[in-house]
Amino acid sequence: DTAVSQTPKYLVTQMGNDKSIKCEQNLGHDTMYWYKQDSKKFLKIMFSYNNKELIINETVPNRFSPKSPDKAHLNLHINSLELGDSAVYFCASSQAGDGELFFGEGSRLTVL
Amino acid sequence: GNSVTQMEGPVTLSEEAFLTINCTYTATGYPSLFWYVQYPGEGLQLLLKATKADDKGSNKGFEATYRKETTSFHLEKGSVQVSDSAVYFCALSDRSGGYNKLIFGAGTRLAVHP
Repeated sequence: DTAVSQTPKYLVTQMGNDKSIKCEQNLGHDTMYWYKQDSKKFLKIMFSYNNKELIINETVPNRFSPKSPDKAHLNLHINSLELGDSAVYFCASSQAGDGELFFGEGSRLTVL
Repeated sequence: GNSVTQMEGPVTLSEEAFLTINCTYTATGYPSLFWYVQYPGEGLQLLLKATKADDKGSNKGFEATYRKETTSFHLEKGSVQVSDSAVYFCALSDRSGGYNKLIFGAGTRLAVHP
């Protein structure tokens, strides 16, 4: 029973296309995140939602639009994909406390 | 701003060797500190954590002590195994702005050979 699950796991698409990645958590956490991991494994936060409300937006291009229909789901939609968007995108969740995050397995996006 | 610096890899060791991966941080206040591990093709898993100065986190033979005086949280293991080969990330909890996020170091790849 996966705690944080993302779909799809792999996504290959052409430049200029629009794509979405979905994330769901069954931990009952209030806060969810999207992180981007580049080819050098560097992890950077993109967005965070708390109870469906956007609380962190880290200077991400507005081609990226997160949506949280409820506190258990956080989706990421990307418009007009560019080569530089190729990365692994990780969803995570947390509850108030010591700051520990629980991560999904990642979604590898390849833009050709 | 808050940041984490960890030693560059790759670190290559023989099985049963001693491991140290250095991690230092810059932060205002007193963040919690974490080590996460990423095995090939997988997501990040929490390895251990410490929430206040002088706390020692430990798990699966790995240890790290929260050292406020040196702003460090070095990861150690006395005897590594081939199965420990992975990328290790040091992280701190950043609560500036009123909301929590984790700030990660650049990751250190560990390769253990038989």
